[in-house]
Amino acid sequence: DAGITQSPRHKVTETGTPVTLRCHQTENHRYMYWYRQDPGHGLRLIHYSYGVKDTDKGEVSDGYSVSRSKTEDFLLTLESATSSQTSVYFCAISESIQVYNEQFFGPGTRLTVL
Amino acid sequence: QQQVKQSPQSLIVQKGGISIINCAYENTAFDYFPWYQQFPGKGPALLIAIRPDVSEKKEGRFTISFNKSAKQFSLHIMDSQPGDSATYFCAAKGSNYQLIWGAGTKLIIKP
Repeated sequence: DAGITQSPRHKVTETGTPVTLRCHQTENHRYMYWYRQDPGHGLRLIHYSYGVKDTDKGEVSDGYSVSRSKTEDFLLTLESATSSQTSVYFCAISESIQVYNEQFFGPGTRLTVL
Repeated sequence: QQQVKQSPQSLIVQKGGISIINCAYENTAFDYFPWYQQFPGKGPALLIAIRPDVSEKKEGRFTISFNKSAKQFSLHIMDSQPGDSATYFCAAKGSNYQLIWGAGTKLIIKP
């Protein structure tokens, strides 16, 4: 999986609790992304980062925040988890944001909010 | 306008047959159309991609056909094998650099 790890791989939590997912890369790629994958929706972009401390919102950013203090780490935080945030979360990286640039994906984190 | 519509949702094909997955889009600003393959428990991985200035791209048994006027593109898998069983996603990239994804097609190749 192109030097991308995600932790934890599985998590069960309760509504209202904060949750942080971590993405770590060893490829030194500038761009990092957080997606969620739900049946019938494909992948939807939550947030992305184009450098240390530089982030922007994606299509479904409400209820999520991100931080990137180092090139290799991109954190996704659910401030107060809701059942609608039960999903599989994927981190991705790319060298460039230019049109033809491939995104490489991590193995995913399955999050269940009870 | 930001949607990519993918069909069918699921597909069963006999070994050796041709698998065909279709996608349609509305936004003419999209200028890159990749297909990703995902196995259970794994993240998606790029399979093949096309730019709108060509009508077809072939890599081994995998071919993308692109119809710019109809705003449609499709993935053809020739001589389908059980190892091709996976979920396939089409996507499109526009001027904001974000990938817009189709809903996915679960492909099963029967031996």
